[in-house]
Amino acid sequence: QQPVQSPQAVILREGEDAVINCSSSKALYSVHWYRQKHGEAPVFLMILLKGGEQKGHDKISASFNEKKQQSSLYLTASQLSYSGTYFCGTVTGGGNKLTFGTGTQLKVEL
Amino acid sequence: DVKVTQSSRYLVKRTGEKVFLECVQDMDHENMFWYRQDPGLGLRLIYFSYDVKMKEKGDIPEGYSVSREKKERFSLILESASTNQTSMYLCASGRFNEQFFGPGTRLTVL
Repeated sequence: QQPVQSPQAVILREGEDAVINCSSSKALYSVHWYRQKHGEAPVFLMILLKGGEQKGHDKISASFNEKKQQSSLYLTASQLSYSGTYFCGTVTGGGNKLTFGTGTQLKVEL
Repeated sequence: DVKVTQSSRYLVKRTGEKVFLECVQDMDHENMFWYRQDPGLGLRLIYFSYDVKMKEKGDIPEGYSVSREKKERFSLILESASTNQTSMYLCASGRFNEQFFGPGTRLTVL
């Protein structure tokens, strides 16, 4: 079953912050975040493993709440280059494949 | 730099035709994946392979088959193409914690 992402779409002004959420109905082993710019292939951002860790990548960070079976991606002081579709992928306990959510379209404007 | 290449960027086929989509990676990865991407549905896993001649069904394998005769090459086969298989097809290779995607093949079945 696909994880649920919210919001489906968001528009930001440059410099604003955003949060993208990813929820699963099953116990999570890991959460993976990818970004796909328009017309390009998805690119890996980061992975969070079971344990509630938080990770960062420039001004983009993520957290993993094992109890709530969800992860959140935080984009701080957004830049035009952050525009794209963000996908979370989840591996649930006992599984060996990555299941992606439906994506969140993010647009950063001047 | 990891490179994943796909045989065609755009392909137009007729209903009932047999279609081959080819994917080649140059990083000696054991794992290779085929996804389809449709608006509003995100990335959905069709098949994956974790070794030569090994394959495993993903979430939507119906109507598709795969072949992996060499480590660097993973083929997706549509035995008898149908209009509902019109989609963007993305190949990926990588380890469990990071996948590298190809540029995609936009397949239209008329």
